[in-house]
Amino acid sequence: EPEVTQTPSHQVTQMGQEVILRCVPISNHLYFYWYRQILGQKVEFLVSFYNNEISEKSEIFDDQFSVERPDGSNFTLKIRSTKLEDSAMYFCASSDLGLSTDTQYFGPGTRLTVL
Amino acid sequence: DQQVKQNSPSLSVQEGRISILNCDYTNSMFDYFLWYKKYPAEGPTFLISISSIKDKNEDGRFTVFLNKSAKHLSLHIVPSQPGDSAVYFCAASDRKSSGDKLTFGTGTRLAVRP
Repeated sequence: EPEVTQTPSHQVTQMGQEVILRCVPISNHLYFYWYRQILGQKVEFLVSFYNNEISEKSEIFDDQFSVERPDGSNFTLKIRSTKLEDSAMYFCASSDLGLSTDTQYFGPGTRLTVL
Repeated sequence: DQQVKQNSPSLSVQEGRISILNCDYTNSMFDYFLWYKKYPAEGPTFLISISSIKDKNEDGRFTVFLNKSAKHLSLHIVPSQPGDSAVYFCAASDRKSSGDKLTFGTGTRLAVRP
């Protein structure tokens, strides 16, 4: 069964450093998403991406964040200068054509630890 | 901003019995609802969804009920199995205004006792 994959599974970085989290969405999906879950809190929407541009972003997704689809398979989330409060699980998701009744399928997540 | 609420942080059920997980929402614009299951160190796994034009959707052991007037939905698992032990998240979207953005509840941890 097709699945969303994410690398790395765990990333440790120093505050102020740049990190890139990588995702390979399900191959025939056209809508891509990033969510995060801070320990003990709910899963929060960060950004959605379609047709090589951001379709929606939350207030969390400030200028320190960016997303990119550098090739036909990868979808990346970059945090330019990490803060302690960026420590969280980051989940990538994808859906098929972004139809309003369609389902988002999630990857296993990347645990980001900012020291 | 708690537009989606799961008021029970945990639930314990005997194997073979029914598990009922509840979710309330405040945003009347939500028109699509989903349930996800999550194991530790894994991503959310889709279980079942329902559109606001329906009041029930069934898939095997899982049934979701939607009561729009009460802004309430529930997930029924019958019969419950030990492998169902996980955290269950309710999620909702307002497709007209916010596209596919999902708003999640805080989750309910289900423990199914053998």
